[in-house]
Amino acid sequence: QSALTQPASVSGSPGQSITISCTGTSSDVGAYDYVSWFQQLPGKAPKLMIYEVNYRPSWVSNRFSGSKSDNTASLTISGLQDEDEADYFCTSYTSSGTVVFGTGTKVTVL
Amino acid sequence: EVQLVESGGGLVQPGGSLRLSCAASGFTASPFTLHWVRQAPGQGLEWVSYITTYSDIIYYADSVKGRFTISRDNAENSLYLQLNSLRAEDTAVYYCARDRGHVEFDVWGQGTMVTVSS
Repeated sequence: QSALTQPASVSGSPGQSITISCTGTSSDVGAYDYVSWFQQLPGKAPKLMIYEVNYRPSWVSNRFSGSKSDNTASLTISGLQDEDEADYFCTSYTSSGTVVFGTGTKVTVL
Repeated sequence: EVQLVESGGGLVQPGGSLRLSCAASGFTASPFTLHWVRQAPGQGLEWVSYITTYSDIIYYADSVKGRFTISRDNAENSLYLQLNSLRAEDTAVYYCARDRGHVEFDVWGQGTMVTVSS
């Protein structure tokens, strides 16, 4: 049950687009389209941003989008805003029935 | 309001035990798979365990297998986590979360802190 690999930090200027990668294996990210992304603000519980690779809950801006290729999932934030500064975590269902989270990425708005 | 509220955290000595509770309100928890997720201070999220609707399927992370036990009471609309043989590395905020699909954690509690220290 090794954690999925994410970059430790990603930064961008307001209005720019950034992409966060989430790399796993053929036993997790590559096995199913069951990848979700969460945003976590300091001291707060995580918030669901993307599910099943590329679906957005009703409360999430369309500036957030997800994709997947083989064993790597990605979260793209378009039109970066100050309020997007947070930690982001990916997660995946695995072929053994368990769940694994990513290492987390700190997004900084310059 | 749909919410989950955890309780039961605290300070415990290594080797000790604790029972966490997660009360659901504003919705009926029985149709949902429920998870426990933890976060050590300054660290990332770590999945701990989940239990399906009728408690027929239960999984644990390797790091807690044999020491933690998840359970639920649908009549009480509640989820539980029994933590035994606690270690310093179990120190974390423990969150419960509702899963509306596969890792679609759409509702989270505010978390309860567990500190394992002598």
